[in-house]
Amino acid sequence: EVHLVESGGGLVEPGGSLRLSCVVSDFTFSNAWMSWVRQAPGKGLEWVGHIKRESDGGTTDYAAPVKGRFIISRDDSKNTLYLQMNSLKTEDTGLYYCATNSWFDYWGQGALVAVSS
Amino acid sequence: DIVMTQSPDSLAVSLGERATINCKSSQSVLYSFNNKNCLGWYQQKPGEPPKLLIYWASTRESGVPDRFSGSGSGTDFTLTISSLQAEDVAVYYCQQYCSPPQTFGQGTKLQIK
Repeated sequence: EVHLVESGGGLVEPGGSLRLSCVVSDFTFSNAWMSWVRQAPGKGLEWVGHIKRESDGGTTDYAAPVKGRFIISRDDSKNTLYLQMNSLKTEDTGLYYCATNSWFDYWGQGALVAVSS
Repeated sequence: DIVMTQSPDSLAVSLGERATINCKSSQSVLYSFNNKNCLGWYQQKPGEPPKLLIYWASTRESGVPDRFSGSGSGTDFTLTISSLQAEDVAVYYCQQYCSPPQTFGQGTKLQIK
């Protein structure tokens, strides 16, 4: 059974940084595009960005609200996806999910990020 | 960016009855490479991550009950639950994955009447 486990969430002050990790098991991680999706409290789903598999160039795309502040990376040797979040704003507060492929067939349980002073 | 608009925002249906949720995209989500629509549907229950129900607009994900079906093409899509069960109470989202930024609809809350 495929498992995705996010970690690294927490409380941070505005302007601070956090790095989320997502470890994927029982899945051909290196062959998949991987995404981060977030959900503000009581709100809908928002795509944050994705990283392509290395065979497709390993490039990244980001949603406009996070472009220039967030960086997605991957380590295929560790089956791990990362989200480096810098210059955090209060509006970045929410549950951050990692998800597989372009249509998100597998999801983690999410990592909670709270940005507050 | 492609804007996804769902209707209605909320819906109450009696058990055993049909539920229909609509999703409209601001531009076509037809993927020219395979002539399929890059449209997915998700179900999210409280406290849980979303669950993929349908992809390529009409392909049911493995393990999803056949009472769930997706239809439509171009800019107009529909998720249909043929006979509503109590466990189908959830929020449903459509999503286009044709090109970044991938975008979701605002969600439709489905309840029992």
